[in-house]
Amino acid sequence: AQTVTQSQPEMSVQEAETVTLSCTYDTSESDYYLFWYKQPPSRQMILVIRQEAYKQQNATENRFSVNFQKAAKSFSLKISDSQLGDAAMYFCAYRTVQGAQKLVFGQGTRLTINP
Amino acid sequence: EAQVTQNPRYLITVTGKKLTVTCSQNMNHEYMSWYRQDPGLGLRQIYYSMNVEVTDKGDVPEGYKVSRKEKRNFPLILESPSPNQTSLYFCASSLSVNLDYGYTFGSGTRLTVV
Repeated sequence: AQTVTQSQPEMSVQEAETVTLSCTYDTSESDYYLFWYKQPPSRQMILVIRQEAYKQQNATENRFSVNFQKAAKSFSLKISDSQLGDAAMYFCAYRTVQGAQKLVFGQGTRLTINP
Repeated sequence: EAQVTQNPRYLITVTGKKLTVTCSQNMNHEYMSWYRQDPGLGLRQIYYSMNVEVTDKGDVPEGYKVSRKEKRNFPLILESPSPNQTSLYFCASSLSVNLDYGYTFGSGTRLTVV
């Protein structure tokens, strides 16, 4: 079964600095999608960024970018110029097609922004 | 506004008292699913539905029931809640069953079973 691992339960960064959240996954599939979701204190789940595995180019959305290393099965999220509003729980997710189609989520990383 | 609406937002109940958490989407999405979120475990799938009258178990279905009689609604039923079902629950939907663009989530239901 596919698994997603976020090895950093908590991270903190100074406002305006850059932080990288790590995510690794285990799969035997060759074509898949990866996602990062943000969950602020309001607990709403918000899609931050999406990566298609067959694309070499790393996805970017404004201050958010990923470092996708397919061979290493690694999908880290980089947040540049961190802002207080970036404080949240971040979840990495993998879309599986084997068995049931679903998103498999990691354990989450709680990000704190220090002013 | 396109959204997934979950109710209630908070619920405290006693062991064994049947309850239903409602979920409705107004985007004509084919796929709907329920997840529970627990600290250190992330989100785990309870049930999902790829079409009306088609439902299937996720990874943690024990103690839960669902139905999909209409495309827009996907209620989660706890026939006899127990304290280990205390959790944060999310309903999610997707236009396509391929899930290429991930989920649209409801705002969550915090359930406490005492």
